[in-house]
Amino acid sequence: NAGVTQTPKFQVLKTGQSMTLQCAQDMNHNSMYWYRQDPGMGLRLIYYSASEGTTDKGEVPNGYNVSRLNKREFSLRLESAAPSQTSVYFCASKERAYEQYFGPGTRLTVT
Amino acid sequence: AQSVTQPDIHITVSEGASLELRCNYSYGATPYLFWYVQSPGQGLQLLLKYFSGDTLVQGIKGFEAEFKRSQSSFNLRKPSVHWSDAAEYFCAVGASLNNDMRFGAGTRLTVKP
Repeated sequence: NAGVTQTPKFQVLKTGQSMTLQCAQDMNHNSMYWYRQDPGMGLRLIYYSASEGTTDKGEVPNGYNVSRLNKREFSLRLESAAPSQTSVYFCASKERAYEQYFGPGTRLTVT
Repeated sequence: AQSVTQPDIHITVSEGASLELRCNYSYGATPYLFWYVQSPGQGLQLLLKYFSGDTLVQGIKGFEAEFKRSQSSFNLRKPSVHWSDAAEYFCAVGASLNNDMRFGAGTRLTVKP
């Protein structure tokens, strides 16, 4: 039982490049989330998916797209990376009202 | 949408001293409240949660938190801090009406020997 896994762990992009961050969970949770964490800002919600087939914007969705591929997987795509997207990205999942379980994070640098 | 405020960005306490970290939330309906801890370079670990019932909840590592609806607060406490408690602490509020979750900006705890 791996919980929530994220790939890659580290990534460096040039401005304008695209990439997809992958997230998978093996706990059969319905809801999945993408956050970014910046110093002094805490975790800010980018997008979430309450169930398979649905996605909703969070606080900071601009510049990102998501895909809920199936119940297990929820990917985050940066179509044209910008330096302002340099951050640590966390994926999380939960079941109904219960607590979220977090992945280990992806540290992204955009130069 | 709901929101969370953690008024203290950084707190320093001596080892063995008591600790209280503040958290205020804004939400019109019944909130689900959480405290998470994050050690450097790590993901977030749940310390405790409140859904309903007894307003004083116990968590792991000797932490407790009290829900006060009249003050819209969910403060985290520990009677005697250990050096290993040095970390960043996040309060979060989940909505009873949807699946949205919001986190506070975090409080960094430093423990002096």
